[in-house]
Amino acid sequence: NAGVTQTPKFQVLKTGQSMTLQCAQDMNHNSMYWYRQDPGMGLRLIYYSASEGTTDKGEVPNGYNVSRLNKREFSLRLESAAPSQTSVYFCASSVDRGDEQYFGPGTRLTVT
Amino acid sequence: DQQVKQNSPSLSVQEGRISILNCDYTNSMFDYFLWYKKYPAEGPTFLISISSIKDKNEDGRFTVFLNKSAKHLSLHIVPSQPGDSAVYFCAASARRFKNKLVFGAGTILRVKS
Repeated sequence: NAGVTQTPKFQVLKTGQSMTLQCAQDMNHNSMYWYRQDPGMGLRLIYYSASEGTTDKGEVPNGYNVSRLNKREFSLRLESAAPSQTSVYFCASSVDRGDEQYFGPGTRLTVT
Repeated sequence: DQQVKQNSPSLSVQEGRISILNCDYTNSMFDYFLWYKKYPAEGPTFLISISSIKDKNEDGRFTVFLNKSAKHLSLHIVPSQPGDSAVYFCAASARRFKNKLVFGAGTILRVKS
């Protein structure tokens, strides 16, 4: 039982490049989330998916898109990376919205 | 509008003593409260939770207290150990309405040996 997995662990991008962060969970959870964590800023919600087939914006969605590919997988895409998107990105899942969330190990992204 | 606030950015405690981390909330609809622990270069891990029907929940060295009238919760760690040094996030949700968790900004705990 791997829990929540994220790939890649590290990534360096140049400004304007695109990339997709992958997340998968094997706990049969309905809800999945993408956060970013910046120094002194805590966890900020980018997008979430309450259930398969639905996605909603969080507090900082600009510059990102998401896809809930199936119940297990929730990807985050940066279409045109900017230095302001340098951050650590965490994926999480929960049985339903409002329940405790389980987090992946994070992806450290640097945009130069 | 910060619905969950952790007003102390950091806390330093001597090994063996009690660590008390505090959290305030503003939304009276919240009915489920959690604490998470985060080490550097790792994802946050769920530590302990409490439902609004209780005022205390204990798990080993960790106890969470909820004061609904003051809209305040606290996490007590007794005794504190150097391995407890981490960032602690409190979170809350209106679980009965299936509203997602709202996180505080975190408190850095340093336990000195």
